[in-house]
Amino acid sequence: SQQGEEDPQALSIQEGENATMNCSYKTSINNLQWYRQNSGRGLVHLILIRSNEREKHSGRLRVTLDTSKKSSSLLITASRAADTASYFCATEVTGGFKTIFGAGTRLFVKA
Amino acid sequence: SAVISQKPSRDICQRGTSLTIQCQVDSQVTMMFWYRQQPGQSLTLIATANQGSEATYESGFVIDKFPISRPNLTFSTLTVSNMSPEDSSIYLCSVEEKTDTQYFGPGTRLTVL
Repeated sequence: SQQGEEDPQALSIQEGENATMNCSYKTSINNLQWYRQNSGRGLVHLILIRSNEREKHSGRLRVTLDTSKKSSSLLITASRAADTASYFCATEVTGGFKTIFGAGTRLFVKA
Repeated sequence: SAVISQKPSRDICQRGTSLTIQCQVDSQVTMMFWYRQQPGQSLTLIATANQGSEATYESGFVIDKFPISRPNLTFSTLTVSNMSPEDSSIYLCSVEEKTDTQYFGPGTRLTVL
């Protein structure tokens, strides 16, 4: 079964706007990773944040993690049409090695 | 990061047949995993492929339906046995590096008629 939920399920914005996606999970984790998937293609790893970290940046990406609320957010600033994709969070459960995926958010960036 | 390849990239199969998917990594890795992504859905973990021992399957997946081999630290196969149209999915292998980052292969798109 999936570890968590993501919201929104779908998000449509204009180019240049910021996009925020949220991920919630149910159990203790070692780390949380965000991935991007373009239609029907493989997953691209975006960023990993560990359970003892609260925020990480990578280019236009900003990820936060709140372990007390069991939630994370991915912010994409100054979005581009090329950012159109599905975004997934994935959590590595404490005490194991397996990574469980959320349901994903479909982002549409209109030019 | 590890470079992962999968064969075949896609296939169309008849129901009742079996397909073996290969996953090759360009470096030795301890942890390898197999996932399934049904149309329009997220990824579901099928099993962890252990080198030198049987794979560890997740709830809802059994060895008779999805036998897995892991003969060495750079290679694994997943067989989808006695296929039905419900098995139509993208099958992805992944590896976890020492940094804990998990990387994915390009996937195998399977259609069962």
